Amino acid sequence: SQKIEQNSEALNIQEGKTATLTCNYTNYSPAYLQWYRQDPGRGPVFLLLIRENEKEKRKERLKVTFDTTLKQSLFHITASQPADSATYLCAPSMDSSYKLIFGSGTRLLVRP
Amino acid sequence: DAGVIQSPRHEVTEMGQEVTLRCKPISGHDYLFWYRQTMMRGLELLIYFNNNVPIDDSGMPEDRFSAKMPNASFSTLKIQPSEPRDSAVYFCASLNGASAYEQYFGPGTRLTVT
Repeated sequence: SQKIEQNSEALNIQEGKTATLTCNYTNYSPAYLQWYRQDPGRGPVFLLLIRENEKEKRKERLKVTFDTTLKQSLFHITASQPADSATYLCAPSMDSSYKLIFGSGTRLLVRP
Repeated sequence: DAGVIQSPRHEVTEMGQEVTLRCKPISGHDYLFWYRQTMMRGLELLIYFNNNVPIDDSGMPEDRFSAKMPNASFSTLKIQPSEPRDSAVYFCASLNGASAYEQYFGPGTRLTVT
């Protein structure tokens, strides 16, 4: 069955540094992959989508890569700020439909 | 737009009682999703609708769970009878299939079954 893995341990970094979060998937090939941000007590918020034929996508300080050979996506936040502290969820599509499989998330803590 | 609206925000009930969760999607969105989030299992898709029709209910845990979408602006998720293991945060999300793949989530309903 499909499996999504994200670092379960929190990532603790200094303000201004680049945060890199990893998402690995196994046993299938998603048509696209999304990243969401979730703050405590709130619903996830969409950040970026990258398709299987795209290597990299950028939006302001965010960058996502998608390596279909390694079955891995990397999510980068450059010039990180304390306000970036949250849990980040990786969500590859189940197939070409709108159905997503969410990873368990990685908690990011940015120290001032 | 007010975004996706869910009610109630918190629900505490006793085992065996019926629970109904409600969702109003964003106007104009034609897809609606119900998710459940727990520490152990993360965020799981239960069921999703397109134009009020259930498309995939393979994530519904068992017959105690049922979902309906009587019109484009309202959906319910019902649990009958409820059990302590149903305790979780239930999210509703909607999507405009004509324009994008991003899902807009509601604030969630925190359900506690004692």
